[in-house]
Amino acid sequence: GQQVMQIPQYQHVQEGEDFTTYCNSSTTLSNIQWYKQRPGGHPVFLIQLVKSGEVKKQKRLTFQFGEAKKNSSLHITATQTTDVGTYFCAGRSGNTGKLIFGQGTTLQVKP
Amino acid sequence: DGGITQSPKYLFRKEGQNVTLSCEQNLNHDAMYWYRQDPGQGLRLIYYSQIVNDFQKGDIAEGYSVSREKKESFPLTVTSAQKNPTAFYLCASSIYTGELFFGEGSRLTVL
Repeated sequence: GQQVMQIPQYQHVQEGEDFTTYCNSSTTLSNIQWYKQRPGGHPVFLIQLVKSGEVKKQKRLTFQFGEAKKNSSLHITATQTTDVGTYFCAGRSGNTGKLIFGQGTTLQVKP
Repeated sequence: DGGITQSPKYLFRKEGQNVTLSCEQNLNHDAMYWYRQDPGQGLRLIYYSQIVNDFQKGDIAEGYSVSREKKESFPLTVTSAQKNPTAFYLCASSIYTGELFFGEGSRLTVL
């Protein structure tokens, strides 16, 4: 079945360093969503990308959707301790419309 | 304020007992979902409903049951047939193909 793989599973950075998490789908996606889950909390929607090659920015966060609509990335510039949490991508299948979550990347930031 | 309310937040169950987790939303969303979250495995879809009185199995429906008698409510029953029910359960709602709004979750522990 369709899979969405997300790497790395964990990332520890020093405050001020950059961070990137990657998502790869086995099939073409109609769109991809990103969520953030703080420790002990619930996932909160960050953004949705729809177009091939799309790039969107939210302050220090940059989201990209690949040209083939099979991969995506989230890049955080100059991490802060408030960025701590688990970041999930969720790809919507172009065939079935089903939303498939990646396993998440847990980010730890050392002050 | 609009949102999703899950209850209870914490629940302990003895083996062999059924338990029901509540999920109520006042966002006027047609679609509702139940996910299970285990450490390192992301979010796995249990059941979803796109309209009142209709619901479909997700990827891990065995041992669970749901109902959708009202648009606002989508309760999940964890039955005694679920072999490993200890987990964090998340309810969500959305406009179809849109972003998911999550509740704060219910943490179930089987004693």
